[in-house]
Amino acid sequence: ETGVTQTPRHLVMGMTNKKSLKCEQHLGHNAMYWYKQSAKKPLELMFVYNFKEQTENNSVPSRFSPECPNSSHLFLHLHTLQPEDSALYLCASTLFGQGAKGNTIYFGEGSWLTVV
Amino acid sequence: AQTVTQSQPEMSVQEAETVTLSCTYDTSESDYYLFWYKQPPSRQMILVIRQEAYKQQNATENRFSVNFQKAAKSFSLKISDSQLGDAAMYFCAYRRRLRTTSGTYKYIFGTGTRLKVLA
Repeated sequence: ETGVTQTPRHLVMGMTNKKSLKCEQHLGHNAMYWYKQSAKKPLELMFVYNFKEQTENNSVPSRFSPECPNSSHLFLHLHTLQPEDSALYLCASTLFGQGAKGNTIYFGEGSWLTVV
Repeated sequence: AQTVTQSQPEMSVQEAETVTLSCTYDTSESDYYLFWYKQPPSRQMILVIRQEAYKQQNATENRFSVNFQKAAKSFSLKISDSQLGDAAMYFCAYRRRLRTTSGTYKYIFGTGTRLKVLA
């Protein structure tokens, strides 16, 4: 049990499909993240949410659409993706605010996305 | 811009021996945190160790320790008595506060070092 759960673990989708990745954290955190991990590249930060407010959009193409309905859930809606979007998508969470200075970021196990 | 550089794509170590993984970073800030994460084949990112920039004392966690050189912006990880279970990708990460009203943290990762442990 990692505390951060991602579903589905594997997803294959066509370029015209619409799908969503889901992330849920059970740690009482108030900030959530989406990272993209491709081969031989650093983890790329995509989005950051603090409570339900998006605080960072790292120049991500509009075909990726995040949604954070509450501090425990985070979605990544996918539509008209390209083959180069195939990667491991990692969700993470942390506690931000007073008394949480030393807290670190906790990751889910990731969702493997293949765009065909 | 803040960057994190891991210059060793791959390292090997004999079981029970010691290995050091390198990491350098670039920042103009004085208050930040540094981390080492381990990613085994399962892809689960696991925190290994963290260091607060304002603390001069190097962090240690059992067989894992760091050599933090703030002036040189260097943050290396030493693994002692290496075990087969230590085989994984290791990522160095830097944390800074986002410059927004909410001020959430941003974590920047290096490209990783693949550690192989030889029996």
